[in-house]
Amino acid sequence: DIQMTQSPSSLSASVGDRVTITCQASQDIRTYLNWYQQKPGEAPKLLIYDAFHLETGVPSRFSGSGSGTDFTFTISSLQPEDIATYYCLQYNHLVGTFGPGTMVDLK
Amino acid sequence: QVQLVQSGAEVKKSGSSVSVSCKASGDIFRNSGIIWVRQAPGQGLEWMGGFIPMFGTREYAQKFQDRVKITADRSTSTAYMELSSLRPDDTAVYYCARVGSIAPDNWGQGTLVTVSS
Repeated sequence: DIQMTQSPSSLSASVGDRVTITCQASQDIRTYLNWYQQKPGEAPKLLIYDAFHLETGVPSRFSGSGSGTDFTFTISSLQPEDIATYYCLQYNHLVGTFGPGTMVDLK
Repeated sequence: QVQLVQSGAEVKKSGSSVSVSCKASGDIFRNSGIIWVRQAPGQGLEWMGGFIPMFGTREYAQKFQDRVKITADRSTSTAYMELSSLRPDDTAVYYCARVGSIAPDNWGQGTLVTVSS
């Protein structure tokens, strides 16, 4: 099974800050990596698919990069509505593994 | 956009089974599949498995292999997840989501399953 690690587990940042989260796979997953945002009491929301493609309707301050085993998710300018937990997901043909999540809050 | 509406909260005893349904607003099974994910209270997301009806393809996470069954009724655009031999640590919110050509995108609202000993 493919294992996913994610760091940091939590971070505090100010409005306007650049926020970066990393995700590492235990083996090469090419670009089968996706990023989700989850707010308390809500279902996850897809932000980035296939490592760097922005889902329709998602603000352009969100971006993703990477391939193989190392991936990065960036919020270029943190907004108050971005306070949430972010998860990476490696997914291919009905098989998936989530990272443990990164909780983002305001400093 | 496809909407997925899940069945209501359940309270179950240890050792019993639960079935959670996930009804789509359209004929999603014509070109999509369904996956199931759960989230224990205060914890992260956990992949359970998925099903693509048009191919008859199923995959279950190893952890749930012996206890989970994912099915779909194409005539009613409804998917089902049945989990058996319930334990208190199965207490969680269970989510369904659609999978098309990319990652799981449309999600249900979640169903809380509480298991008591």
